[in-house]
Amino acid sequence: NAGVTQTPKFRILKIGQSMTLQCTQDMNHNYMYWYRQDPGMGLKLIYYSVGAGITDKGEVPNGYNVSRSTTEDFPLRLELAAPSQTSVYFCASGGDNEQFFGPGTRLTVL
Amino acid sequence: LAKTTQPISMDSYEGQEVNITCSHNNIATNDYITWYQQFPSQGPRFIIQGYKTKVTNEVASLFIPADRKSSTLSLPRVSLSDTAVYYCLVGVSGAGSYQLTFGKGTKLSVIP
Repeated sequence: NAGVTQTPKFRILKIGQSMTLQCTQDMNHNYMYWYRQDPGMGLKLIYYSVGAGITDKGEVPNGYNVSRSTTEDFPLRLELAAPSQTSVYFCASGGDNEQFFGPGTRLTVL
Repeated sequence: LAKTTQPISMDSYEGQEVNITCSHNNIATNDYITWYQQFPSQGPRFIIQGYKTKVTNEVASLFIPADRKSSTLSLPRVSLSDTAVYYCLVGVSGAGSYQLTFGKGTKLSVIP
């Protein structure tokens, strides 16, 4: 099993550009999550999904959108990138007792 | 979600036992205590979870007193590879029934 995979690993955006961060898991988990982590800080929940077709906001959803058309995929969309969105983004999927995290996407908005 | 408080940083020499204490005064009856480890440039990784008393696995032990208002992660005989940030989280267990709230964690530095 590959676990949770994320693409791209790195990306630089200009202010106002848009992009989609991809996340795929092969563990057949219903629950999936998106977090962001700013330097020296903990992770903050952006959005989560409890199954295909169902998504809900986390602590910091503004400026982001998600969709969940399949169990495996949970993409995160940034519509109008802003410097405040410079961060490392982690996707995770949820097992019974723990969450499994992907390797992260490092995003810089200039 | 119950708030947790843990030390910002700790230093330890190789081979020593390290104990990281987490305070969670407002823990709810249904809440579990979970610890994650995060290395630089990687996502967090689950270490251990418990509800009460003591839990032990191959990498750590978790001690939870009867009142459950605190917990202690114990790492036996640490090595340089244990240098990481350790997060204490409190929430209802189960795949989707809890949303993890990560604080700043405890940065453990293991010294040769």
